[in-house]
Amino acid sequence: AQKITQTQPGMFVQEKEAVTLDCTYDTSDQSYGLFWYKQPSSGEMIFLIYQGSYDEQNATEGRYSLNFQKARKSANLVISASQLGDSAMYFCAMREGEGYQKVTFGTGTKLQVIP
Amino acid sequence: GAGVSQSPRYKVAKRGQDVALRCDPISGHVSLFWYQQALGQGPEFLTYFQNEAQLDKSGLPSDRFFAERPEGSVSTLKIQRTQQEDSAVYLCASSLVGASYNEQFFGPGTRLTVL
Repeated sequence: AQKITQTQPGMFVQEKEAVTLDCTYDTSDQSYGLFWYKQPSSGEMIFLIYQGSYDEQNATEGRYSLNFQKARKSANLVISASQLGDSAMYFCAMREGEGYQKVTFGTGTKLQVIP
Repeated sequence: GAGVSQSPRYKVAKRGQDVALRCDPISGHVSLFWYQQALGQGPEFLTYFQNEAQLDKSGLPSDRFFAERPEGSVSTLKIQRTQQEDSAVYLCASSLVGASYNEQFFGPGTRLTVL
């Protein structure tokens, strides 16, 4: 079974609108962490936001927020007020267990922001 | 430097050639990771170092792949007798051990094309 599932290969959003990128995960560990990375066409992976499994509040970083629904094993990324520079691939990823740092990535969602 | 650097940025090899890819992590970062990213896919874990110790090499696809980090800083990923299926972007990432969520900082990648 896939550990990280991103069901949207591609998304379009109008500039200044909000967009939600879906991510579901599969783990039997109680302790885990969820990440979102952005990969522009230049290729570099840019860290956006992190949610720990024990964090009670949804993580937020500027225009990025993570909608964490633990019971549904869902960790959707919400981008508010989309900008043209947000056009990129977005990857959801998970680290399982305490202390161990191996990260498993999803297949990504390509977001295109339309002027 | 301020970030993770990788060299070369692009490498073209003839099938059967050996290649060596270099990663310079952020100074002071104990953990170092190598990932392979095929076109249109998310990064796939290859191997993980903590200082000079290679703690996990479960993602290396074959015994043609070898990684080292002899002094706990710079790392080299070596691929022997390259095959066409080795064509991919190879990403290196580093992180601090003990950080609250062990955010991984990625380099720009090396794009390997095997002809």
